[in-house]
Amino acid sequence: QKEVEQDPGPLSVPEGAIVSLNCTYSNSAFQYFMWYRQYSRKGPELLMYTYSSGNKEDGRFTAQVDKSSKYISLFIRDSQPSDSATYLCAMSENNQGGKLIFGQGTELSVKP
Amino acid sequence: SQTIHQWPATLVQPVGSPLSLECTVEGTSNPNLYWYRQAAGRGLQLLFYSVGIGQISSEVPQNLSASRPQDRQFILSSKKLLLSDSGFYLCAWSVMEVDTQYFGPGTRLTVL
Repeated sequence: QKEVEQDPGPLSVPEGAIVSLNCTYSNSAFQYFMWYRQYSRKGPELLMYTYSSGNKEDGRFTAQVDKSSKYISLFIRDSQPSDSATYLCAMSENNQGGKLIFGQGTELSVKP
Repeated sequence: SQTIHQWPATLVQPVGSPLSLECTVEGTSNPNLYWYRQAAGRGLQLLFYSVGIGQISSEVPQNLSASRPQDRQFILSSKKLLLSDSGFYLCAWSVMEVDTQYFGPGTRLTVL
């Protein structure tokens, strides 16, 4: 079993839809959770960063962490064609500049 | 502000040829540095990471090597490329106290 599982998609939605992207993990020691967005042929860019359980909102994006279920989500409201990208979740145990464990990434396509 | 550069952006090399990819970071001191490989449609595979000059940790046994000759310079090398070395190579940096990593634009390597 992989430490982090992420549905690879592809996921196709119409413009304006609410998108839910999810990751599950097995290591209960993970405390720091990130979402990256990667456009085709580009490097990943940090989208959201959260610590422990709870929600964090940034514009149209909401990151949610449920440590009891070992489950994290990224919600995108009013999705736009410019949101079409691969979304990678990442997590770590200690906030000490160490290694991140990445999901495989979910490819999202938002159709106009 | 911090920036990260990688070059070349694209590279086509014959099997058995040597490789040198370079990554430099600006605007920060003593960063942690990482090399990842991303195969088509797959997640990120950590190859090497470095916490300081001359300090390299290898994550995956392979015919690749890494060096850190200066604080903000990270080099990925190979003496003889294999077909399986094709992929998208990403360099990333983080600071000592935070796990969030920031990625460069990547180098797309095709070995023929």
